Amino acid sequence: DSGVTQTPKHLITATGQRVTLRCSPRSGDLSVYWYQQSLDQGLQFLIQYYNGEERAKGNILERFSAQQFPDLHSELNLSSLELGDSALYFCASSGDRQGNYGYTFGSGTRLTVV
Amino acid sequence: GENVEQHPSTLSVQEGDSAVIKCTYSDSASNYFPWYKQELGKRPQLIIDIRSNVGEKKDQRIAVTLNKTAKHFSLHITETQPEDSAVYFCAASPRYGGSQGNLIFGKGTKLSVKP
Repeated sequence: DSGVTQTPKHLITATGQRVTLRCSPRSGDLSVYWYQQSLDQGLQFLIQYYNGEERAKGNILERFSAQQFPDLHSELNLSSLELGDSALYFCASSGDRQGNYGYTFGSGTRLTVV
Repeated sequence: GENVEQHPSTLSVQEGDSAVIKCTYSDSASNYFPWYKQELGKRPQLIIDIRSNVGEKKDQRIAVTLNKTAKHFSLHITETQPEDSAVYFCAASPRYGGSQGNLIFGKGTKLSVKP
């Protein structure tokens, strides 16, 4: 157990639907990062939050949004889902703003859009 | 901003041989370089890291070297075993985080160790 908790582990939904992925960072970590990993692909950075505020944004689609709550858990919302959104979605956390001590990844949410 | 290139994209070795994965980075101010191992369907896990004030670091069969002048760093795995088969990602942390967050990842190397 890495200390980063992601739920649900698996999600199957239809095109056009909306889903919410949840992440609880490791205790004490203030930064949360979201990544998308499609089959045999690398880690595509989506967005970072630090202590409740958005800090960095990658190539995140407009259909996707995220937030970090006062208790530091984060949610990634995916709407108007398309087949191409099927992927593993990872959340990671770090204790500092710069990530100079590496990230700890959660086990991921496998999203399948049918 | 920072850019990290990783080679090779795939690597196949015989059990017991050594494996080397190389990464280059572009931002000379980058100061932290972790390596992650990702087994199929699982989360990336930190296996070793190195900071810019150190040239080499070892942990059992794994070592990482850093050449700041050439802006490249490498992962060395000796006496490879089938359980070393995985995708390995290098990363660099620029001094100032940018549009990709604070760790810039390479595209990964798929290592296969044949018994």
